[in-house]
Parts: sequence; structure tokens; C-alpha cells
Amino acid sequence: TQLLEQSPQFLSIQEGENLTVYCNSSSVFSSLQWYRQEPGEGPVLLVTVVTGGEVKKLKRLTFQFGDARKDSSLHITAAQPGDTGLYLCAVTYNNNDMRFGAGTRLTVKP
Amino acid sequence: DTGVSQDPRHKITKRGQNVTFRCDPISEHNRLYWYRQTLGQGPEFLTYFQNEAQLEKSRLLSDRFSAERPKGSFSTLEIQRTEQGDSAMYLCASRRLDTEAFFGQGTRLTVV
Repeated sequence: TQLLEQSPQFLSIQEGENLTVYCNSSSVFSSLQWYRQEPGEGPVLLVTVVTGGEVKKLKRLTFQFGDARKDSSLHITAAQPGDTGLYLCAVTYNNNDMRFGAGTRLTVKP
Repeated sequence: DTGVSQDPRHKITKRGQNVTFRCDPISEHNRLYWYRQTLGQGPEFLTYFQNEAQLEKSRLLSDRFSAERPKGSFSTLEIQRTEQGDSAMYLCASRRLDTEAFFGQGTRLTVV
């Protein structure tokens, strides 16, 4: 059974603070995507990582893929209220199905 | 390319009725996924198609659920004899091979 865990489940911070959320898999995966979802909408893709050890930056967001291809982190610098949302990681395993974690619900207070 | 389209956006139905949702993927995306999402949870995998072939179906999917992708383009998800526990957001995503998957805006089902 492939298990995908995200932590923390909830995070509430003040505007300007930094934060990191994590995604860990019990199995090696071929690629990982991070998504952000707002209430009533579908998830919106932020980034895809495929190479172990890879680091990608998207403005104030930094995504890291673990060397063993079983974990990833998302770091947000100087969080803003517009960053509020549900952050989801999704992994593709060798059988090509795509599974999601339960998500991290982030609230950034002004 | 208009992205992944789902129809309807919202559906309210009485318990026991059948409902059908449609997903139009991004053109040339050969893989299509259906997920169910309840409040505060991540998307839960239901089923997955590669072209017209349904390659995997979650064991959580009861016999009341069926999905088709007859010509390898659009897909339908049908729920028969709906129950209140079926109330959720139903999401569709498509991708080309192992590239990024893109989601539709979802269909919100409420069973009353």
C-alpha cells in the first residue's frame, strides 16, 4: 500500500512569516506535483519535480525534492494573505496512477 | 486549448436518483483521472483512463459508480441510486503521459 502524508495538516501564521510544509511517501515515486486549491475550485498546478535533489523556485515559493525521491518540501518566504489555501502534493507511481496527500490548509493573517 | 472542462458545476439531487457528470480533457491528453474530494480532505482517487481503456479503479468505488471514456476523449462518471454520503466535489484531471496533470473546476454534488 502506498502511503502519502502531508504535514502539518493546518497552519495559521501572520503575514510576513516564513513556513515549510512537507510531503512524504512510503514508496519511491517518478514525479511529484504541488498544487494550491481554493474553496469550490479545482487544484491549480504550482510545480512539478522529477529529479532527486531538485530545487525549484517560483517567486517566494521554493520546492525541494528529496534525494531518495520519497519526499518533498514547499517553503514560502514572507507569506501574504493571498497565499491562503489548501496546498496539496500529488505523486505518480510507476503504475501511472496519481495519488494525493490530505493537504496542508494554510491561513495567512494580515 | 481551453483547459479541462467539467459539467455541470453544481448538481443537487434527491437520494436514490442517478446522476451523470461529464469531463472534457485537454485535447491530446491521453490520461484522464477522476477524484472525489470532501471538505477539508485531499482528492481521493476513483479511477483512471489511458485513452479509452480504464486501467485502474479504486476499491473504494462501489458498484454504484461507473465511468466511461468511449472514444478516448471526453469521459462520464455515473452514480446510481445516490446516497447522502456521495455528496462531495468530483474532480477530473488530464495529462499527456507523465507530464503535469491539469484539473477542471469540479462538479459539486449535493444529495438531499
